[in-house]
Amino acid sequence: RKEVEQDPGPFNVPEGATVAFNCTYSNSASQSFFWYRQDCRKEPKLLMSVYSSGNEDGRFTAQLNRASQYISLLIRDSKLSDSATYLCVVNMSAVGGADGLTFGKGTHLIIQP
Amino acid sequence: DVKVTQSSRYLVKRTGEKVFLECVQDMDHENMFWYRQDPGLGLRLIYFSYDVKMKEKGDIPEGYSVSREKKERFSLILESASTNQTSMYLCASSSGQGGYGYTFGSGTRLTVV
Repeated sequence: RKEVEQDPGPFNVPEGATVAFNCTYSNSASQSFFWYRQDCRKEPKLLMSVYSSGNEDGRFTAQLNRASQYISLLIRDSKLSDSATYLCVVNMSAVGGADGLTFGKGTHLIIQP
Repeated sequence: DVKVTQSSRYLVKRTGEKVFLECVQDMDHENMFWYRQDPGLGLRLIYFSYDVKMKEKGDIPEGYSVSREKKERFSLILESASTNQTSMYLCASSSGQGGYGYTFGSGTRLTVV
């Protein structure tokens, strides 16, 4: 069974704090990994890809642990505008293919002033 | 700026009506997808297509059909709308084998009364 698990939250975090989410996936043959951000009543948008060596983009850092089958997202110096739902996305198809991406249900983050 | 365009942002239809949701992408992507998103259930794949005139069932195809006559256009059809099809419908497209993630349209919020 294809599965991507996330803590739904909500995570209530004060502005300026550091927050981290984890996501676990069931298929060890998964090839590519992403974090998407979804604002309320909007479509999901790609936040960043997750590489084996880790990936950093400004205040955001994503890491992959293949041995334990989880990926993580770290947000430093959080801003009010970071409030959103963060979706963990995994390509679980062993040979790729159009149906490969599996979406987690998302982690809801609320940054409080 | 690359785009996936969904024809309607909000739609209200009556039970039993035939409903067409249109999606057009301008990125020359091979793969196109229809999802529905409901609170607590996350994104669920209805149908996808990896080529013109090709279609594959996703996780929840019952009550839906699709059409892909041209590469850029992927239509979702509700043959006889029912109240349990009230949802947010999201179209997405991707290139190749999903290694670059998906681009989503802005969604159609369908209410069936």
